[in-house]
Amino acid sequence: SQQGEEDPQALSIQEGENATMNCSYKTSINNLQWYRQNSGRGLVHLILIRSNEREKHSGRLRVTLDTSKKSSSLLITASRAADTASYFCATDAGGDSSYKLIFGSGTRLLVRP
Amino acid sequence: NAGVTQTPKFQVLKTGQSMTLQCAQDMNHNSMYWYRQDPGMGLRLIYYSASEGTTDKGEVPNGYNVSRLNKREFSLRLESAAPSQTSVYFCASYGLAKNIQYFGAGTRLSVL
Repeated sequence: SQQGEEDPQALSIQEGENATMNCSYKTSINNLQWYRQNSGRGLVHLILIRSNEREKHSGRLRVTLDTSKKSSSLLITASRAADTASYFCATDAGGDSSYKLIFGSGTRLLVRP
Repeated sequence: NAGVTQTPKFQVLKTGQSMTLQCAQDMNHNSMYWYRQDPGMGLRLIYYSASEGTTDKGEVPNGYNVSRLNKREFSLRLESAAPSQTSVYFCASYGLAKNIQYFGAGTRLSVL
């Protein structure tokens, strides 16, 4: 079963607009990560937020984490056509040395030029 | 620095055939993982190896075996391929320094 569920499943916006994706998860976590997957490619790490953090920024990315609601959001500001990809949240529940991640089902983002 | 390398990139099998997917990383990481990704879905963990010499089942291990050949290499074997194993397979390794996983480009497998 997948820990993270993402919303929306698909998002289409105009270049320059902001894109917001949400992720909900079920169990306690050490950290939550966001990855991007371009069509036909592997996943690339974007940003990690630890369970004791509430907000984190990296360039045009802003991630928030609400552990009381077991949810996170990824905001991409001033979107570009090159941001078109699928975005996945992944949770690290910790507890052992395996560093396993559990991935959500992803949000497919289309940025129209 | 190639990162995580997977071979082959594409494969077509007939039901019942066997094959091994190869994965190698050059980042000196201890932990490695095999995932499968079905259309429109996220990644599901098949097997992982927390360190050289150890392997453990993930969420969907049935029909697969793995070998951690050495610290660099982690292979996934399908002994008797089934159409349900048609998927894209990703290998990843974990970097403790940044606490993130690094992914290969994937193997697209079709079982007819």
